[in-house]
Amino acid sequence: DTAVSQTPKYLVTQMGNDKSIKCEQNLGHDTMYWYKQDSKKFLKIMFSYNNKELIINETVPNRFSPKSPDKAHLNLHINSLELGDSAVYFCASSQLGGTGELFFGEGSRLTVL
Amino acid sequence: AQSVTQLDSQVPVFEEAPVELRCNYSSSVSVYLFWYVQYPNQGLQLLLKYLSGSTLVKGINGFEAEFNKSQTSFHLRKPSVHISDTAEYFCAVTPPGGKSTFGDGTTLTVKP
Repeated sequence: DTAVSQTPKYLVTQMGNDKSIKCEQNLGHDTMYWYKQDSKKFLKIMFSYNNKELIINETVPNRFSPKSPDKAHLNLHINSLELGDSAVYFCASSQLGGTGELFFGEGSRLTVL
Repeated sequence: AQSVTQLDSQVPVFEEAPVELRCNYSSSVSVYLFWYVQYPNQGLQLLLKYLSGSTLVKGINGFEAEFNKSQTSFHLRKPSVHISDTAEYFCAVTPPGGKSTFGDGTTLTVKP
């Protein structure tokens, strides 16, 4: 039973297209995140949601729009994809007021051609 | 604000040898400390964490780490590595109620 699941695992698309990645967690956590991992494996936080409310937006282009329909789901929609958007996108969750331990999904590898 | 420096970007080591992956951090407030491991084509998973108490913490797969407050370090060690330990290792710090700050990662490659 996967704790944090994201779909799809792989996306290959052309520049200029729009794509979405979905994430669901069954851990009962209040806080969810999107991280971007580039080709050098550097991890960068993009967004954080706490109980459906946007908490962190780390200077991400507004082509990226997160949506949290409920506290168990956090989706990421990307408009007008660019070559530089190619990366692995990780969803994660943690318990509000906890230790900050993060639970990660398996990642969604986006390739923009 | 916090920062995390992983002192080695790549660590090659032979199987059954000991290994140490170094992590230094800076923070103006107390933080929790974490090591995560990322196996090829997988997400990150928790290896171990330091919250309080004993400065030597043990994690999964035989790894341990020692918190050194005076040196603001949290180095990860394993006395004898296996091929299956080949992975990317990330050190992270989190202030209570705050967001995590990750290091740039260390690639551990275990050779036969």
